Amino acid sequence: ETGVTQTPRHLVMGMTNKKSLKCEQHLGHNAMYWYKQSAKKPLELMFVYNFKEQTENNSVPSRFSPECPNSSHLFLHLHTLQPEDSALYLCASSPEWREGPNEQFFGPGTRLTVL
Amino acid sequence: AQSVTQLDSHVSVSEGTPVLLRCNYSSSYSPSLFWYVQHPNKGLQLLLKYTSAATLVKGINGFEAEFKKSETSFHLTKPSAHMSDAAEYFCVVSKGTGFQKLVFGTGTRLLVSP
Repeated sequence: ETGVTQTPRHLVMGMTNKKSLKCEQHLGHNAMYWYKQSAKKPLELMFVYNFKEQTENNSVPSRFSPECPNSSHLFLHLHTLQPEDSALYLCASSPEWREGPNEQFFGPGTRLTVL
Repeated sequence: AQSVTQLDSHVSVSEGTPVLLRCNYSSSYSPSLFWYVQHPNKGLQLLLKYTSAATLVKGINGFEAEFKKSETSFHLTKPSAHMSDAAEYFCVVSKGTGFQKLVFGTGTRLLVSP
């Protein structure tokens, strides 16, 4: 499989559940990103990992917990979410988080609904 | 700080007619600019990018954009729309130097009618 893949594609969870989103990239990249896409709002950068190290946390609530075990895999662990967390969560990758133009490659997203 | 404004939330065209999606940017630095497209249930795909080389940038699927510094604009055009162009389009800016956060516009939904 090529590109950036995300699982599951759809997730419905209650506010007390714990779930995880998975992202995998097959592009040999070293930087990976989590974005949140809500209706009527611009994409919001949540986290950046560069060479497995977290380099950016864009003031994301602690109920979202990222994990990057290696440069090809990125997880987003979810617990005690709120209904306003319902959104499309997009994963992206790029060669690395560096100076200069940063073309990112996106996965198809996980549509999350919090009841 | 960087920002982009997409001037139209929806644009409707007929198949075979030209497409114009408008984007104005604001940047304290010499910017890099991108257009991404998102088809339903798909991730974002890069259409084209400007990185301070030629001001007229050609992308995939017949799209192009022109960087106009005097107007702080980076409008996306295509001479002839195809039904498969119906999607959401995002204008994106980032700093030309330094570490690269992408700042996204709110998107323009392109509707193409037969």
